[in-house]
Amino acid sequence: EADIYQTPRYLVIGTGKKITLECSQTMGHDKMYWYQQDPGMELHLIHYSYGVNSTEKGDLSSESTVSRIRTEHFPLTLESARPSHTSQYLCASRQGAGGYTFGSGTRLTVV
Amino acid sequence: QKEVEQDPGPLSVPEGAIVSLNCTYSNSAFQYFMWYRQYSRKGPELLMYTYSSGNKEDGRFTAQVDKSSKYISLFIRDSQPSDSATYLCAMTVMDTGRRALTFGSGTRLQVQP
Repeated sequence: EADIYQTPRYLVIGTGKKITLECSQTMGHDKMYWYQQDPGMELHLIHYSYGVNSTEKGDLSSESTVSRIRTEHFPLTLESARPSHTSQYLCASRQGAGGYTFGSGTRLTVV
Repeated sequence: QKEVEQDPGPLSVPEGAIVSLNCTYSNSAFQYFMWYRQYSRKGPELLMYTYSSGNKEDGRFTAQVDKSSKYISLFIRDSQPSDSATYLCAMTVMDTGRRALTFGSGTRLQVQP
């Protein structure tokens, strides 16, 4: 049973729409991350958080924003979706220096 | 130059073969090394985690780290069709975990029955 949940699993949306991708974890992990992964390509870090009220931008320039109001919740928001945002978005969490636990991902298609 | 290089494959082997997956890295500060397995349309799952040079074994999987050569490997013995997936190496520096993992681009493995 997954300890980190992402919703929706699949989303098809029109250009210009505002969308929020949800990520929740039940493990009490302090660190959470959002990665973007195109098919057959490497993971690109877009946002991360070390704890409540802490967020940082990652290596990949992104037009998205995140918030961390509660330890277990780390939503990603796109204010105006574009076709270039079509990708798979993976959420992960981590405690201390351990490995990541990943969610199953949200596959986003912007038409 | 990328910090972590990984042969993208695809790598196709017959069932029962020994598989060797490899990554090289350039940052000598990397101390923690991980291997993830990712099935199609799923998130990566942690397979192996090591923080020292040498070998670590877990069932059919062996992770090998050679810090002097900046080279890590994952060996899969008696490979099974269920091992067909993309394998990603990942690594980070020795800290409290504030720095995010650096991933390789992944090697796609296909085990033929």
